[in-house]
Amino acid sequence: QVQLQESGPGLAKPSEALSLTCSVSGASISSSRYYWGWIRQPPGKGLEWIGNIYYSGNTHYSPSLRSRVIISIDTSRNQFFLKLSSVTAADTAVYYCARLLWSGFSPRFDYWGQGALVTVSS
Amino acid sequence: DIQLTQSPSSLSASVGDRVTITCQASHDITNFLNWYQQKPGKAPKVLIYDAFNLEAGVPSRFSGSGSGTDFTFTISSLQPEDFATYYCQQYDNFPYTFGQGTKLEIK
Repeated sequence: QVQLQESGPGLAKPSEALSLTCSVSGASISSSRYYWGWIRQPPGKGLEWIGNIYYSGNTHYSPSLRSRVIISIDTSRNQFFLKLSSVTAADTAVYYCARLLWSGFSPRFDYWGQGALVTVSS
Repeated sequence: DIQLTQSPSSLSASVGDRVTITCQASHDITNFLNWYQQKPGKAPKVLIYDAFNLEAGVPSRFSGSGSGTDFTFTISSLQPEDFATYYCQQYDNFPYTFGQGTKLEIK
């Protein structure tokens, strides 16, 4: 059974960085069949795609966040990571990690973590 | 970026009703569209991919259609567990984008 679990601080200070880890079980993050993604949702609002990463390290980022975001991967630990720098209150959101079906599939996010609320506040 | 506009933003309906949500893309995305269901406090769940293919395990009362710029998501007979927010999402081009969501409420 595939499971994803976000972890990291629930509070970030303005102008500092937000860092989250997504731990994957039940699937190999090294598989060429998947990308691994981050999506966020501000309280009471809709979904926003942040970016994806492949086992090779290849990434795609949202243009609106590209200057502040880094997504990385550690295949030895079956984890991938999100770092968002220079955060403001507008970055307060539930952050989801998700598996993106890719090679041989029609791309879609088929497994999601439960979400991690990160609040930006001093 | 490809913008997705869902209509309506909210909808009240009763158990047993037939419900339709539309999603309009700002550019031709062929059929590269997914539909997700999200319940309060939960992660989204994919229901439809490629505009009309039903994800495994999803009840057949859910369906999708459309191509190009205009897409439709239908629930043929609403069940109590279907009251949720629904999102369309395109994967024709990066950046992936979502519609703003349609909140389906009990009448």
